[in-house]
Amino acid sequence: GQQVMQIPQYQHVQEGEDFTTYCNSSTTLSNIQWYKQRPGGHPVFLIQLVKSGEVKKQKRLTFQFGEAKKNSSLHITATQTTDVGTYFCAYSNYQLIWGAGTKLIIKP
Amino acid sequence: NAGVTQTPKFRVLKTGQSMTLLCAQDMNHEYMYWYRQDPGMGLRLIHYSVGEGTTAKGEVPDGYNVSRLKKQNFLLGLESAAPSQTSVYFCASSIGTGVQETQYFGPGTRLLVL
Repeated sequence: GQQVMQIPQYQHVQEGEDFTTYCNSSTTLSNIQWYKQRPGGHPVFLIQLVKSGEVKKQKRLTFQFGEAKKNSSLHITATQTTDVGTYFCAYSNYQLIWGAGTKLIIKP
Repeated sequence: NAGVTQTPKFRVLKTGQSMTLLCAQDMNHEYMYWYRQDPGMGLRLIHYSVGEGTTAKGEVPDGYNVSRLKKQNFLLGLESAAPSQTSVYFCASSIGTGVQETQYFGPGTRLLVL
């Protein structure tokens, strides 16, 4: 079935370093959503992108939707311990189709 | 508003036992979903509902049944639990599909089947 590939699976960073996760699809997406799941928690909606080339910011988080609407990225500047968790992308195709998630781990 | 609530929060079952997980939402959402999440894995859709009285199969429906008798409630049943059903179960709801498919999740039910 249709899939969205999310990479990397894990990313270890030092606190203060940047973090990026990517979502890629072989087909054009109508929209892309991003969710965050803290350890032991439940997924929480972050943002939705709909337009080609769209860029949205939430404080240190920058979300992009590719020009061809086949890929998206989430970039976190200067990570903090509160950013720890797994970030999922998902797109709507009558149901939400989820990426496998990227786990952000902050090195001690 | 409580949003999406799930009961119970945690349950231990023996193989072959049955149980029902309850999900309730107070946002008047039409769509509701049941997912399972295994350790270190993503979300897999079990069943979903597009409105009161309707249900549909998701990616991994075997071993589960659901009912949506009231708009605000979505029940997930395990008729004969198996160890492979040990997982965290999340319920979610949304207004609709497409750009209205932002999903709101409950806190989850942690199920251990021995």
